This record gives sequence, C-alpha cells and structure tokens, in this order.
Amino acid sequence: KQEVTQIPAALSVPEGENLVLNCSFTDSAIYNLQWFRQDPGKGLTSLLLIQSSQREQTSGRLNASLDKSSGRSTLYIAASQPGDSATYLCAVRPPGAQKLVFGQGTRLTINP
Amino acid sequence: DARVTQTPRDKVTEMGQEVTMRCQPILGHNTVFWYRQTMMQGLELLAYFRNRAPLDDSGMPKDRFSAEMPDATLATLKIQPSEPRDSAVYFCASARILGSQNTEAFFGQGTRLTVV
Repeated sequence: KQEVTQIPAALSVPEGENLVLNCSFTDSAIYNLQWFRQDPGKGLTSLLLIQSSQREQTSGRLNASLDKSSGRSTLYIAASQPGDSATYLCAVRPPGAQKLVFGQGTRLTINP
Repeated sequence: DARVTQTPRDKVTEMGQEVTMRCQPILGHNTVFWYRQTMMQGLELLAYFRNRAPLDDSGMPKDRFSAEMPDATLATLKIQPSEPRDSAVYFCASARILGSQNTEAFFGQGTRLTVV
C-alpha cells in the first residue's frame, strides 16, 4: 500500500528565504506526482505535475524535483513571500490506479 | 477559465437528515474524485468515477453514503442519514486520465458540512 509522508508538518521562515519542502513515498512505482497548495478554508490549487519520466518541473519561483528510486520529491520555493503562506500537499498516482494518494501536508508560514 | 464547481459551499444540517452535494467537473475530464478532509484524517478518498462508471468506492461507508454520475457534467454525493461524525469538508476533483498519462487533477472549493 502506497503511503506518502511530508515532513515537517509545519515550517516558519522569514520572508526572502529560499526553502525546501519534502515529500516521500513508500512505493517507487508511481505514474506521477503532483504538488498542491491549500489556503485556509479553500480548495486545493495545483502547482506542478511531474510525470514519472521527468526529473523536475518549474513554474515561476517554484521548482519540484522527483527521485523515484529513493521515493522522494522536493518543492523548492525561491525568495519566499508572505503570500506563499499556505499548506502544501503532495500526492502520487500509483500505477494501475486513477486515484491520488496524499500526504498530510506541510503548513508553511512566511513571516514579513 | 475551466474550474470544478461544487454546491453548496456550506451546509448545516441536523443529524438524520439527507445531504446532497453536487459537483460539475471540468469539461473533457473523464475522471471524477470525491475526497473528504478533516483535521484528524487529512484527505481521504471516498470514491471515484471514470467515464461516469464507479471504479472504487471502498472509502465510503456503504450504509449511508452513495455517489453517482447521472451525466458527464454532474457528480453527486449523498449522505442518508447524516451523523455528526460526517462533519468535514468534501472536495470534488477531476482530471483527464488515459492509461498511465493524466492531466493535473483540479479541485473544487469544497462543501463544508456541519451535522449537529
């Protein structure tokens, strides 16, 4: 059974810092991995989708990497801003399944 | 601007009442998911459909929950009778999945259900 873990559960950093959020999964056989952000009381917003054949994806100040062999993905946020404060979730799609398996998320706070 | 639309946004109901939540997936997406989110459990998959056919509803309490897709533009999740432990935010999401390839999954804004 695929399990997804995100550590730490919460992270607080000063504005302007570069930071890395971590996601690990127990079964390296995945179709793809997707990163989301969730603002309080809101739905999930898709940030990046990495296919299993890809090593990384970039969107603006965000860069997500994928290392299937070690069962890890990282989300790098450059020059963090208070508007980046949210909960960040990663989810993997196991092979042969249409569903997404989610981690518990990392609650990020960027302090002005 | 394509988006997943859920109604209602908020629902407060008394224990024992029927609750129906609706979802309009993004046009062209062939897979629809229902998730439930609570502080304790995080995001739990309740059920999902591909091309309107239910593929997996093992995450749902079968005695009180039911999920359907009457047509490609509407998915419904019903709880009857509702119980206080059903209080949570219910999310619908959709994606286009073809074999091992899929688009990003997009989520609706959720229905916040409170059962008193």
